[in-house]
Amino acid sequence: GQNIDQPTEMTATEGAIVQINCTYQTSGFNGLFWYQQHAGEAPTFLSYNVLDGLEEKGRFSSFLSRSKGYSYLLLKELQMKDSASYLCAVRENDYKLSFGAGTTVTVRA
Amino acid sequence: IAGITQAPTSQILAAGRRMTLRCTQDMRHNAMYWYRQDLGLGLRLIHYSNTAGTTGKGEVPDGYSVSRANTDDFPLTLASAVPSQTSVYFCASRDRNTGELFFGEGSRLTVL
Repeated sequence: GQNIDQPTEMTATEGAIVQINCTYQTSGFNGLFWYQQHAGEAPTFLSYNVLDGLEEKGRFSSFLSRSKGYSYLLLKELQMKDSASYLCAVRENDYKLSFGAGTTVTVRA
Repeated sequence: IAGITQAPTSQILAAGRRMTLRCTQDMRHNAMYWYRQDLGLGLRLIHYSNTAGTTGKGEVPDGYSVSRANTDDFPLTLASAVPSQTSVYFCASRDRNTGELFFGEGSRLTVL
């Protein structure tokens, strides 16, 4: 089985930075994804890490440490439109992508 | 480009009825998936298909069946719906080069 943990909720102010942590214990590891999901919509791809280190993409960055079973998603210069759920997902093998329960981020003015 | 399309968007049905959720993609992806999403539980894999003609069971397959007659279509069938199958169902396909999953818009199913 798999265990992918992330906080349930986080709140931050517009313009601030928020870091969403994800820890995982899975039977296999072939990479880690972060997805964004607005309420009532489909998840959309944000980032993919397969090697240790930081991947930066504009205001969003994702970090991976395979030895620690740990990743984080960093959202900088928060905007109201960033209010959404953020899903951590581990690719365990060729077909299986397992998801955490998601972190709901609320951005306040 | 449509990407991946699901139908119906929303459905209410009585327990015991048979229901098929349709999923079609035009990206020629080999791998396709069905997930259900429930509050507090996240996305859970129901069934998957690595290529046309093959299917496999995911994490929560009981009460569901799938078929993959061709690359584009991957329908999910509930043979006899029960209230615990009330959920939002997402179909997805995978880009084999990047590993990224592309999701449909979801089908909200309520079983009474």
